[in-house]
Amino acid sequence: DGGITQSPKYLFRKEGQNVTLSCEQNLNHDAMYWYRQDPGQGLRLIYYSQIVNDFQKGDIAEGYSVSREKKESFPLTVTSAQKNPTAFYLCASSRQGGYTFGSGTRLTVV
Amino acid sequence: SQQGEEDPQALSIQEGENATMNCSYKTSINNLQWYRQNSGRGLVHLILIRSNEREKHSGRLRVTLDTSKKSSSLLITASRAADTASYFCATHPGANSKLTFGKGITLSVRP
Repeated sequence: DGGITQSPKYLFRKEGQNVTLSCEQNLNHDAMYWYRQDPGQGLRLIYYSQIVNDFQKGDIAEGYSVSREKKESFPLTVTSAQKNPTAFYLCASSRQGGYTFGSGTRLTVV
Repeated sequence: SQQGEEDPQALSIQEGENATMNCSYKTSINNLQWYRQNSGRGLVHLILIRSNEREKHSGRLRVTLDTSKKSSSLLITASRAADTASYFCATHPGANSKLTFGKGITLSVRP
């Protein structure tokens, strides 16, 4: 079955650490996206990529980094520069029309 | 920036009743989409309506779009307890652009 897989489901980070969230899709979609979701805030776009080896900042890119070396993969690194990283992170992909979302990674700073 | 704004923020209804959720937006769009999110899960795409369409149906879902008023509505008929979830509208300005989501509506369907 085609889909988009995020891992891990839960992630705990100590202050000052970088952590990387994985996002893999086998839908052959060109575009991929990372969103952050906080309670009552809806989804905010962190980074997006419309093609391999290219990506663009979204609305809240500070403290995050991404890479797009393969069409199937779009990992997100939450760096120590992100001061409030505790949130639910959602990855999505699209070709045209609707987005397909992963099941999310809940990141908590301990 | 969030363009779509859903109304109401929360809705509680009895099973079997219809649920109507509204979305307003500010700038021109190519299409508008509705998504559903169960607690702690990813979003699921429900329906897409293009700017040249006025109404679209999918099963128990009915979506309308009024581009002159920059608004859309999602109607869920004969609601079920399993429809309990958050619902988001998302606007798509056009090619090579990305979706912008509203803050969502929390729907509770009481058995």
